[in-house]
Amino acid sequence: KAGVTQTPRYLIKTRGQQVTLSCSPISGHRSVSWYQQTPGQGLQFLFEYFSETQRNKGNFPGRFSGRQFSNSRSEMNVSTLELGDSALYLCASSLRTGGYEQYFGPGTRLTVT
Amino acid sequence: EDQVTQSPEALRLQEGESSSLNCSYTVSGLRGLFWYRQDPGKGPEFLFTLYSAGEEKEKERLKATLTKKESFLHITAPKPEDSATYLCAVTLLGGYNKLIFGAGTRLAVHP
Repeated sequence: KAGVTQTPRYLIKTRGQQVTLSCSPISGHRSVSWYQQTPGQGLQFLFEYFSETQRNKGNFPGRFSGRQFSNSRSEMNVSTLELGDSALYLCASSLRTGGYEQYFGPGTRLTVT
Repeated sequence: EDQVTQSPEALRLQEGESSSLNCSYTVSGLRGLFWYRQDPGKGPEFLFTLYSAGEEKEKERLKATLTKKESFLHITAPKPEDSATYLCAVTLLGGYNKLIFGAGTRLAVHP
């Protein structure tokens, strides 16, 4: 069974630009969550989508947004990039929501210059 | 505030030297506790889920236990390939799948 896939794996953007990251969950999984990982803050929850609806949101500014499609694939968008947005963005999928085990993808390394 | 604390921050072991990693949590209502392993530059790899105090799970050289205030990850006779960062996370009642992570324990196992 294929794991969680994320594209692109690496991105370099300039301050002020916007970026879209993509996540394809494990087949049959309907929940997709996004996390930001930085050396200083560790792993922080961004948001979770289940059945195309956002179920929960972390403490991030409105520049961070996401969506989920009917095939459970998800995208997250960051507008007006700041230097501090440089991080590893991880996507995790789960069969269902409500505190169940989640499987992570390899991440997208975003560098903002 | 819901919080997860892991100790120690870093641990160096000789091959075969067993030890335990600690994860303590202060949360409003625990739904589940999760252990992940993360290698540099990669996404976390799922290891265990624990839902009830007293629950234990094992996988090869790893054993995870849960009490009402903390969890332990016991590593028996570790090998160099067990070197990684071990992350503990919790989900809360009513919190859907939101994981609250600890800072992790960096484990180095030397031959």
